[in-house]
Amino acid sequence: AQTVTQSQPEMSVQEAETVTLSCTYDTSESDYYLFWYKQPPSRQMILVIRQEAYKQQNATENRFSVNFQKAAKSFSLKISDSQLGDAAMYFCAYRSRNAGNMLTFGGGTRLMVKP
Amino acid sequence: KAGVTQTPRYLIKTRGQQVTLSCSPISGHRSVSWYQQTPGQGLQFLFEYFSETQRNKGNFPGRFSGRQFSNSRSEMNVSTLELGDSALYLCASSLARGQDEKLFFGSGTQLSVL
Repeated sequence: AQTVTQSQPEMSVQEAETVTLSCTYDTSESDYYLFWYKQPPSRQMILVIRQEAYKQQNATENRFSVNFQKAAKSFSLKISDSQLGDAAMYFCAYRSRNAGNMLTFGGGTRLMVKP
Repeated sequence: KAGVTQTPRYLIKTRGQQVTLSCSPISGHRSVSWYQQTPGQGLQFLFEYFSETQRNKGNFPGRFSGRQFSNSRSEMNVSTLELGDSALYLCASSLARGQDEKLFFGSGTQLSVL
């Protein structure tokens, strides 16, 4: 079974600064997807960014980028130019290529943004 | 286009009762997945439905069940409620299953069992 670990329960960042959230995972599979989801106080999970394991190029979405290290099974999220609206819980998630829409989530990191 | 709609938003039940939660996916979406979120166990996959058939099931007791209707709306049922069933139940929908599919989540139903 796959496991996803987020070792930072809480992080804080100054507005306009850069912060990196860590995620490691354990799997014996070679083909899978990795995701970062944001959960604001509204509770709705919002997809931030996704990475396909067979793509070596790191995914980027505007101010969000990932550092995907397949051999190390590491998938960190970098948020540049942090904004107050980035404050939320962030979850790293894993999906096997053959597991339909079943996601395995990490425990989450609460990000606080200081004005 | 309306998002994923979950009803009710909040629910209070007592131990031993049963409860039914509803999820209406985005129009055209055929896959619906359910997740349980608790402070202790985090986010855990419950089950996934596609074309009215359960395709995946997480490691939950048989008290947790679900179904999907022909219009893709889904319900999940929890019988003989226990205190530990108190959680936020999230529903997600997508056009199809796996591969490149993007999941869209609802805002959840907060269930409190007293």
